[in-house]
Amino acid sequence: GAVVSQHPSRVICKSGTSVKIECRSLDFQATTMFWYRQFPKQSLMLMATSNEGSKATYEQGVEKDKFLINHASLTLSTLTVTSAHPEDSSFYICSARTTSTDTQYFGPGTRLTVL
Amino acid sequence: QKEVEQDPGPLSVPEGAIVSLNCTYSNSAFQYFMWYRQYSRKGPELLMYTYSSGNKEDGRFTAQVDKSSKYISLFIRDSQPSDSATYLCAMSAPGANSKLTFGKGITLSVRP
Repeated sequence: GAVVSQHPSRVICKSGTSVKIECRSLDFQATTMFWYRQFPKQSLMLMATSNEGSKATYEQGVEKDKFLINHASLTLSTLTVTSAHPEDSSFYICSARTTSTDTQYFGPGTRLTVL
Repeated sequence: QKEVEQDPGPLSVPEGAIVSLNCTYSNSAFQYFMWYRQYSRKGPELLMYTYSSGNKEDGRFTAQVDKSSKYISLFIRDSQPSDSATYLCAMSAPGANSKLTFGKGITLSVRP
């Protein structure tokens, strides 16, 4: 149980385009989902917390207009990187928090490369 | 002082060795403790989850929590090359939107 999927697993796009990443909890409902960014050989950096049906809470320094988060249902959250630039290239990972325990299950990650 | 300190690595051990990974923390509000394993280019995988002081065993893995000393450990018995990965400790306080605070992670290499 507690499986989280992400799609796509890898995306390459041109500078200036927008990219949408989906995060789904497959076998449980997640009222809270989290989006992280990870640079090579570094730990995860929390970008934002999203609750179903409400606006996401962004961490300091994360541009909310650039990283649009939508949590439309208890099993789906999306992250849209708008007007992507090469410096947005990174590994993006989502997690979903189960309501039964205070822990998070992570998706497999999405590697974004912006040319 | 960082909220969570994790022993720096990397760590290299021979196959079959017992591995001990450790983290200390300073925030008394932390009540939930987790260990994640992350293979290269993959998302973290939950290995162990505990919320009380003491030991919790799952196969070759044992998680130990000492809240009085603010210290947690993960022991891996009979280590295998497939255990080679980065291990992250993480902890959180109670609350619906409570965030995970991670250690920096330690890269373990198990030599055949």
